[in-house]
Amino acid sequence: AQKITQTQPGMFVQEKEAVTLDCTYDTSDPSYGLFWYKQPSSGEMIFLIYQGSYDQQNATEGRYSLNFQKARKSANLVISASQLGDSAMYFCAMREGIDNYGQNFVFGPGTRLSVLP
Amino acid sequence: DGGITQSPKYLFRKEGQNVTLSCEQNLNHDAMYWYRQDPGQGLRLIYYSQIVNDFQKGDIAEGYSVSREKKESFPLTVTSAQKNPTAFYLCASSIDILDRYKSVNTEAFFGQGTRLTVV
Repeated sequence: AQKITQTQPGMFVQEKEAVTLDCTYDTSDPSYGLFWYKQPSSGEMIFLIYQGSYDQQNATEGRYSLNFQKARKSANLVISASQLGDSAMYFCAMREGIDNYGQNFVFGPGTRLSVLP
Repeated sequence: DGGITQSPKYLFRKEGQNVTLSCEQNLNHDAMYWYRQDPGQGLRLIYYSQIVNDFQKGDIAEGYSVSREKKESFPLTVTSAQKNPTAFYLCASSIDILDRYKSVNTEAFFGQGTRLTVV
């Protein structure tokens, strides 16, 4: 079964508008971390934002914020004031099993975001 | 500057050859990972290692081998048994300090990737 689901293969947004990229996850572990990464065409993976399962508030990092709905197992990424440089693949990832030392990261299939001028 | 370095950036392999992809980190991270990415796809885990001299198979380990003789290094060998090795390979590392009762940010740091092509 898919542990990370990203239902939007591709998204378009107008420059300066906000956009939400969806991510749902599946875990029975009470301790887990959720991550968003950006992958431009160069291939590097750029860490954007992190949300821990015990965090009471939604994470924010500059123009990035995470809409964390724990009961719905949802961790959507919101990018405000989109810029042309935001055009890239975006991956949602989870690290679970914190009770089991050293579990690996599981990635979703990604969403390709295109920002239109 | 601390970071994670993969080499080479591009690699060409002939049919039947083994090739080794290098991954080195100076972040003092315990955990290291190898992922494979096919065009337009997500990342799939090949192998990961939590400590020196120990590693675990990921979802697609067949045709690959690794070693972890030093904390800083986690090379990946793509063997001739891997029938479709053309892909983008990403190495990553992270700390492994995890706390059961609070959130600890342990994001993975990635190298620049190696693009392997079979010729």
